[in-house]
Amino acid sequence: KAGVTQTPRYLIKTRGQQVTLSCSPISGHRSVSWYQQTPGQGLQFLFEYFSETQRNKGNFPGRFSGRQFSNSRSEMNVSTLELGDSALYLCASSQTGEIWETQYFGPGTRLLVL
Amino acid sequence: AQSVAQPEDQVNVAEGNPLTVKCTYSVSGNPYLFWYVQYPNRGLQFLLKYITGDNLVKGSYGFEAEFNKSQTSFHLKKPSALVSDSALYFCAVRALTSGTYKYIFGTGTRLKVLA
Repeated sequence: KAGVTQTPRYLIKTRGQQVTLSCSPISGHRSVSWYQQTPGQGLQFLFEYFSETQRNKGNFPGRFSGRQFSNSRSEMNVSTLELGDSALYLCASSQTGEIWETQYFGPGTRLLVL
Repeated sequence: AQSVAQPEDQVNVAEGNPLTVKCTYSVSGNPYLFWYVQYPNRGLQFLLKYITGDNLVKGSYGFEAEFNKSQTSFHLKKPSALVSDSALYFCAVRALTSGTYKYIFGTGTRLKVLA
């Protein structure tokens, strides 16, 4: 079974631009979560989608948004980029997002904002 | 507040020696605990988890972890370290926060195994 895939793997943007990141979960997985990883803050939860609905949300500004499609693929959008948005963005999937389920992570998209 | 603490930023161990990476947690209700490993330029890989049952949990690559309810700890262990175990290790707890379940990750511990 193929793992979680994320595209693109690397991105360079400038302040003020917007960016869209894509995540394809493991086949059969319907829950997709997004995380931001930075050296200073560690892993921070952004949001979770299940069956095309945002089910959980972390403490990030409204510039960070996401969506999920009927095939469970998910996209994350960041508008009006700031230097502090430079990070590794990780996507993780699980079957239904139940509390005991393991999340499986993709390789991440490394975003650099100049 | 729910939290996970990994008190050591880095752990150094000689190859062949046992290793321990520490994790303590604070949650309300039953904890669901996980360990993940991250290699450079890679995502997180699942190692093991504690849901219920035996306090000693065995996972991938020879790792194990012991759940200690009284000490609210979930330390990761391996009897004999390999150089290839050198990586960043994250402890996580699944906890109910603001009415929903979220993963809360520790800040990570960098394990360096010396040849």
